[in-house]
Amino acid sequence: AQKVTQAQTEISVVEKEDVTLDCVYETRDTTYYLFWYKQPPSGELVFLIRRNSFDEQNEISGRYSWNFQKSTSSFNFTITASQVVDSAVYFCALVKYNFNKFYFGSGTKLNVKP
Amino acid sequence: EAQVTQNPRYLITVTGKKLTVTCSQNMNHEYMSWYRQDPGLGLRQIYYSMNVEVTDKGDVPEGYKVSRKEKRNFPLILESPSPNQTSLYFCASSAGQGIDEQYFGPGTRLTVT
Repeated sequence: AQKVTQAQTEISVVEKEDVTLDCVYETRDTTYYLFWYKQPPSGELVFLIRRNSFDEQNEISGRYSWNFQKSTSSFNFTITASQVVDSAVYFCALVKYNFNKFYFGSGTKLNVKP
Repeated sequence: EAQVTQNPRYLITVTGKKLTVTCSQNMNHEYMSWYRQDPGLGLRQIYYSMNVEVTDKGDVPEGYKVSRKEKRNFPLILESPSPNQTSLYFCASSAGQGIDEQYFGPGTRLTVT
């Protein structure tokens, strides 16, 4: 069975602090994809990143970075120098290759205070 | 403009009254999916479709039906809604077999009394 756990329900930081959102997944499959999506207060869901199980390279995009570690089944997301506009709910998700069924975590609400 | 549209955006209905939430995408995507979002539970997949006439159950399909007669449309049908189906519903589409970036609709907030 597949499962995604985001243990941090809500995090509050002050602007310019760094913050890491944790994502731990469970799967017995060797080929799978991991995603992060952002849901700002306006409610829409926005894609941030996709990673396949064979690519453990960390990725950096501006202030955002992702750390994928198969050894610990984790795909953590770090925001450097957080800004108020980063305030949102962030979801981690898993899909098994060629199976097309998605599993989302329960989300982490990030509050960035000025 | 590339988009996924859902209608209605808000709906209040009574138990047992059949309803349909429409979903349409203009990107010629093969993969479409329905999710419900509930506090503390995140997004849970209801049904997905890999192409016309090809649909399959997600994690929480009970009480829902879908159809995919045209590539662009993927309606969600609640034949006999119950209060536990009160939720925020999202439709999504992606170009590939679900492994690509999903584009989400704006959401439909459904209340069943």
